[in-house]
Amino acid sequence: DGGITQSPKYLFRKEGQNVTLSCEQNLNHDAMYWYRQDPGQGLRLIYYSQIVNDFQKGDIAEGYSVSREKKESFPLTVTSAQKNPTAFYLCASSITHRGREQYFGPGTRLTVT
Amino acid sequence: AQTVTQSQPEMSVQEAETVTLSCTYDTSESDYYLFWYKQPPSRQMILVIRQEAYKQQNATENRFSVNFQKAAKSFSLKISDSQLGDAAMYFCAYRREIGANNLFFGTGTRLTVIP
Repeated sequence: DGGITQSPKYLFRKEGQNVTLSCEQNLNHDAMYWYRQDPGQGLRLIYYSQIVNDFQKGDIAEGYSVSREKKESFPLTVTSAQKNPTAFYLCASSITHRGREQYFGPGTRLTVT
Repeated sequence: AQTVTQSQPEMSVQEAETVTLSCTYDTSESDYYLFWYKQPPSRQMILVIRQEAYKQQNATENRFSVNFQKAAKSFSLKISDSQLGDAAMYFCAYRREIGANNLFFGTGTRLTVIP
């Protein structure tokens, strides 16, 4: 089955530790995105990548980093510089950067204490 | 900057009845896309319906339809014959036609379906 996988579903970390969230897609999509969702809010864009080895900052990139070494993978690292890392993180992809629809993974709930 | 506003934090509907969720947006562009996404308790975002701004005809997908009023910058979602499985958070989203193609989301409307 084609789709987007994010693992793990729930992730717990201590404050001051970096943590990497996984996102993999087998849809052969060129573009991938990371969004953050907080309670009572819609999704906000962290980073996006239009092609391999290229990525751009979104609206709330501070404290986050990404890489895009393979077409199917777009991992997100939440660094210790992110002041409020506890949130629900969603990865998405689209066929190209001009693709109309974005398809979402199941998300990862990160809790930092 | 684009903003998307959903003024109804919560809505409820009787099973088999019809409900309309509201969405307004602000943009200075003429070409763009609008979407409604559904987020059930599993929290997976599921695309419900899409509307291209250049199309005058309102999009329809089975029991879901939109009322797109470009001049008023309004994009409401109508759910007919509501089912228990329709209960979820619904998000309205905007995407530019050119340039950065990320989605701008509203804050969502929580829909409850009453049996």
